[in-house]
Amino acid sequence: GESVGLHLPTLSVQEGDNSIINCAYSNSASDYFIWYKQESGKGPQFIIDIRSNMDKRQGQRVTVLLNKTVKHLSLQIAATQPGDSAVYFCAESENSKLTFGKGITLSVRP
Amino acid sequence: GAVVSQHPSRVICKSGTSVKIECRSLDFQATTMFWYRQFPKKSLMLMATSNEGSKATYEQGVEKDKFLINHASLTLSTLTVTSAHPEDSSFYICSASGTGSYNEQFFGPGTRLTVL
Repeated sequence: GESVGLHLPTLSVQEGDNSIINCAYSNSASDYFIWYKQESGKGPQFIIDIRSNMDKRQGQRVTVLLNKTVKHLSLQIAATQPGDSAVYFCAESENSKLTFGKGITLSVRP
Repeated sequence: GAVVSQHPSRVICKSGTSVKIECRSLDFQATTMFWYRQFPKKSLMLMATSNEGSKATYEQGVEKDKFLINHASLTLSTLTVTSAHPEDSSFYICSASGTGSYNEQFFGPGTRLTVL
């Protein structure tokens, strides 16, 4: 079956640095992609999304890049803060059904 | 923003009993609700999709007779874990979506189920 995966299981960054979290997907029929943040014991929190007809979208301190040619999705967090420490999941959507990637833990060093 | 609640937030039960988890959309009508299961340090796995007033669609490998889903109204879906066993212990998360071309899903806070 098709799957969504992440390249790295953990990422440690210095406070104030930029973070880049990468994700590979394999379902070429996916038309919508989302990044979620999940803190321990809580449900996923929406960060940013992007439609398949776009290649870049910016939010507050976050940017999502989509490369459909190589089926790659990335999340960039500017000026990473301690509050950004969490597990991050990419998810792809086809016909409103979400498939989540494996998740990566972002750890911010003070 | 859209708010989804779950109740209870955590539950401990004895093996063989049944547990009901509620998922409510508080400020919008959810035409579709989704139930996910998450094991520690793992990703979310979709269990089933339910549309208001119709039977749920279960993912492959999910026992529909064990995980009963009811979506009786546009603001409430329930997941009942029947005859729970320790291996059913997990974090159960629901999400809800309304109308719209991409149907963004809004997630609940999750329910931690522990079966003794």
